[in-house]
Amino acid sequence: EPEVTQTPSHQVTQMGQEVILRCVPISNHLYFYWYRQILGQKVEFLVSFYNNEISEKSEIFDDQFSVERPDGSNFTLKIRSTKLEDSAMYFCASSDSRMDGYTFGSGTRLTVV
Amino acid sequence: QKEVEQNSGPLSVPEGAIASLNCTYSDRGSQSFFWYRQYSGKSPELIMSIYSNGDKEDGRFTAQLNKASQYVSLLIRDSQPSDSATYLCAVIGDSNYQLIWGAGTKLIIKP
Repeated sequence: EPEVTQTPSHQVTQMGQEVILRCVPISNHLYFYWYRQILGQKVEFLVSFYNNEISEKSEIFDDQFSVERPDGSNFTLKIRSTKLEDSAMYFCASSDSRMDGYTFGSGTRLTVV
Repeated sequence: QKEVEQNSGPLSVPEGAIASLNCTYSDRGSQSFFWYRQYSGKSPELIMSIYSNGDKEDGRFTAQLNKASQYVSLLIRDSQPSDSATYLCAVIGDSNYQLIWGAGTKLIIKP
């Protein structure tokens, strides 16, 4: 079964450092997403990406966040200057249409110290 | 504000019984409805999707949608301890196609 792959599975970083979270979506999917989930809280939408550009973003996705699809397979989330409150599980997801369910990757646990 | 509401639980069900999970949504124009299962520390896993009124069955799972009442439910027959997880209801509206999540219902299946 096709799957979404995320690396690393766990990242520890110092406050103020930049991190890049990586994702390989399912190959024939066209829509890509980043979500995050703070421990014990709801899944929160960050950004959606289609046709090499951001299609939607939430209030959380401020200037410290950026996304890129640097080649035909990878989809990255960069956090420029991490804060303690950025500690969360970050999930990448993809879908082949806007109305279908998303397939999620296994997540990256980001810990900012 | 578009919302999806779920009872947080925990919902405790004996093994072998039917577990019934409910969800209501505020956006009347919503078109796609999903149930995800999330084990602790893991990512959400899509288990059911439903797009039209009525029931949709897949193995031990049945999703039910009533657009007039803005209500979607998930039934799990012959509940197993491995079904113990948080079940997330998610809905796509007709305006920005963004997936709106409920907070999830924690289900505990007791052997």
